[in-house]
Amino acid sequence: GAVVSQHPSWVICKSGTSVKIECRSLDFQATTMFWYRQFPKQSLMLMATSNEGSKATYEQGVEKDKFLINHASLTLSTLTVTSAHPEDSSFYICSARDRAFGTSGTDTQYFGPGTRLTVL
Amino acid sequence: AQSVSQHNHHVILSEAASLELGCNYSYGGTVNLFWYVQYPGQHLQLLLKYFSGDPLVKGIKGFEAEFIKSKFSFNLRKPSVQWSDTAEYFCAVSAYSSASKIIFGSGTRLSIRP
Repeated sequence: GAVVSQHPSWVICKSGTSVKIECRSLDFQATTMFWYRQFPKQSLMLMATSNEGSKATYEQGVEKDKFLINHASLTLSTLTVTSAHPEDSSFYICSARDRAFGTSGTDTQYFGPGTRLTVL
Repeated sequence: AQSVSQHNHHVILSEAASLELGCNYSYGGTVNLFWYVQYPGQHLQLLLKYFSGDPLVKGIKGFEAEFIKSKFSFNLRKPSVQWSDTAEYFCAVSAYSSASKIIFGSGTRLSIRP
């Protein structure tokens, strides 16, 4: 089956620094990737939709200047948490939509294993 | 915009009991429906999905779900649970017109007593 990887799997950083998280589709091309945030014992909250070669679409309430998303190729999307603060500590999960499904209506997304970010 | 509600926050069952987890969605148009499972310490896995056709969908590990359009529901069922089914279960919906954006419910934690 389709595999999505994330790197790093966990990261600890100091407050005020920036952290980049990579999401890769390993055996398929993904024109669209999604970034989610999951707090402990809570559901996944969609942060943004990342489209290859264009600007990301952010959900309401998500600061686009704080969470920079780049989707430079069909297999890679990155999320950069800029000037991270302790409240940004969370589990960040990406998913990728298989390009082989031509229409947007019926497709399957594959989820990465997540990245745990801890900001001290 | 679409939304999903899962009424059961935490369900505790004994092994071999039957399971039904409720899921209702809110959206007026065509939807795709999903159930995902997250085992402790693992990432999300797709259990089953409904796009069209037979409203009774069979997934992996003996799970099934029934789409009842009139009730805006997509409940997950399993006739006999096992201890290994202990996990968090998420119902999710994507609107056909929204370019695959998936919205998740709040999740139901399932604990199985051996």
